[in-house]
Amino acid sequence: QKEVEQNSGPLSVPEGAIASLNCTYSDRVSQSFFWYRQYSGKSPELIMSIYSNGDKEDGRFTAQLNKASQYVSLLIRDSQPSDSATYLCAVKAGNTPLVFGKGTRLSVIA
Amino acid sequence: KAGVTQTPRYLIKTRGQQVTLSCSPISGHRSVSWYQQTPGQGLQFLFEYFSETQRNKGNFPGRFSGRQFSNSRSEMNVSTLELGDSALYLCASSLATTSEAFFGQGTRLTVV
Repeated sequence: QKEVEQNSGPLSVPEGAIASLNCTYSDRVSQSFFWYRQYSGKSPELIMSIYSNGDKEDGRFTAQLNKASQYVSLLIRDSQPSDSATYLCAVKAGNTPLVFGKGTRLSVIA
Repeated sequence: KAGVTQTPRYLIKTRGQQVTLSCSPISGHRSVSWYQQTPGQGLQFLFEYFSETQRNKGNFPGRFSGRQFSNSRSEMNVSTLELGDSALYLCASSLATTSEAFFGQGTRLTVV
């Protein structure tokens, strides 16, 4: 059974701080890794994708991937109250379905 | 460019009834996946279609079925509804089965 594990939170950070969200996965052949943001009552929104080891930056977001450790993370710099949401990690191997973690709830305190 | 469109947005059905949900993918996207989201279980994969063929199927009972049409639009059907089927049903489209997936707004199904 392919699993994606995330700390459910809530993770509380002050406004302006760095929020660090972590995810581990069980399937070693996983090739594609995604972070989605989901506001309460809304659908998931893709914010980052990463396919190779290392860091990938997009604005205030940085995704980090370490395939040897089966670990992917998302850093949010200069966190804003509007970043308060549930962040879903998703992992994919080839043509198999996306497997989602249950999400980490982030709360940014003004 | 229009996003993924799901209809209807909200549904209330009675136990034992059946329901059909619709999903129109982003123009040019040929892969459509369906997920069920509940507070306790998170996002659970239902099925995935590519070019009218079911490529993957999740661990749901046979009451859950789907199909994809030649224009890539997809429908899912749930027969003999149970209270536990109450959930947010999400459709995601992608260019191919290995590409990034983009979600529609979802259909909130309530079974009473």
